[in-house]
Amino acid sequence: AQSVTQPDIHITVSEGASLELRCNYSYGATPYLFWYVQSPGQGLQLLLKYFSGDTLVQGIKGFEAEFKRSQSSFNLRKPSVHWSDAAEYFCAVANFGNEKLTFGTGTRLTIIP
Amino acid sequence: GAVVSQHPSWVICKSGTSVKIECRSLDFQATTMFWYRQFPKQSLMLMATSNEGSKATYEQGVEKDKFLINHASLTLSTLTVTSAHPEDSSFYICSARSEMEWETQYFGPGTRLLVL
Repeated sequence: AQSVTQPDIHITVSEGASLELRCNYSYGATPYLFWYVQSPGQGLQLLLKYFSGDTLVQGIKGFEAEFKRSQSSFNLRKPSVHWSDAAEYFCAVANFGNEKLTFGTGTRLTIIP
Repeated sequence: GAVVSQHPSWVICKSGTSVKIECRSLDFQATTMFWYRQFPKQSLMLMATSNEGSKATYEQGVEKDKFLINHASLTLSTLTVTSAHPEDSSFYICSARSEMEWETQYFGPGTRLLVL
């Protein structure tokens, strides 16, 4: 069965600093990978997704993620965070023919001035 | 594009009553919709998958008679929590996908249910 691990439960970053959120997946074939963001009391917003091709994908709000097959990772990055980036971030994986998403446990991002 | 709405955004009801939550895809036809439940500070738990015009498929451990799902059109799915009890209090989120983007789910804003 596929699984997703987000090893960091909570990360605190200063405003303007760079950010990297980790995500590791477990699946035999090439997965479809997603990053979603959830603000308090809100639904999930799709930041970016990877299916194939260029392993560095660009998303909304200045985020990017890099797929590394050798490490089974899909880490999310942003060069300079803004206070509005404070939220919960979920990594998720699906596979061809299986429409269900498997979510990681999420990483809560706190931004300090 | 790819906007999903939910109504109501939050609801309070008495124990024993039924509550209906609507999920709509506003700018695309949703061949499949999903219903999730999220407990505080936890990830999303898939409850069921519904395809337009057919019965929903429930995940193991989810009571289909308690959580009735109807996907009557390509833009609307409803979740009815029947005979709600305090333990049903939770944040319910729906998502939708289209045939054009079968692999991508777009999420609604969620509905917070409080059962007294």
